[in-house]
Amino acid sequence: EAGVVQSPRYKIIEKKQPVAFWCNPISGHNTLYWYRQNLGQGPELLIRYENEEAVDDSQLPKDRFSAERLKGVDSTLKIQPAELGDSAVYLCASSLFGADSSYEQYFGPGTRLTVT
Amino acid sequence: SQQGEEDPQALSIQEGENATMNCSYKTSINNLQWYRQNSGRGLVHLILIRSNEREKHSGRLRVTLDTSKKSSSLLITASRAADTASYFCATDAGNAGNMLTFGGGTRLMVKP
Repeated sequence: EAGVVQSPRYKIIEKKQPVAFWCNPISGHNTLYWYRQNLGQGPELLIRYENEEAVDDSQLPKDRFSAERLKGVDSTLKIQPAELGDSAVYLCASSLFGADSSYEQYFGPGTRLTVT
Repeated sequence: SQQGEEDPQALSIQEGENATMNCSYKTSINNLQWYRQNSGRGLVHLILIRSNEREKHSGRLRVTLDTSKKSSSLLITASRAADTASYFCATDAGNAGNMLTFGGGTRLMVKP
């Protein structure tokens, strides 16, 4: 079974440039998460989708970050314009949440963003 | 903000020794999970303990939960060099559909 796929794995951009990350969750998983992980810290949730609906985006800096999950499958996270402080690893995770949920989240390998 | 705090932040042991990591959290929970992250990789789920459970085992892993103290511990017995990784606890408050809040992690190094 294929795991959560993310691309690109690494991205280096100059500040003020736009950047986009893509995530393909595990087939059949209805819930998708985007996390940001700063160096030496744990992941922090940016946004959570149940199917195609964003149900929790309170931690997403909406002035520069946007996300979408078309058709309730793949998702894209965008930053425009990027700032130096956005340098981090962006992790995507998915889970099957519902009556039979195991509550386990499956993580992709992440995209390491460096803003110069 | 991060709900959990792991202790210690870093731990170095010899192969064969046991490793114990602790996690404290602030609000009531539905369950608590432990994840492992190898360098440059995503997180991998290790074990989940529900709020009405006190202890759980999985292979060389043993997790305890004390809801009165809002704390949990992860014990890895007979450690191996391959256990070298960062370990994170994550709490699910149960009020927002499988939403986890992660701690800052413990960086474990097991020397061969």
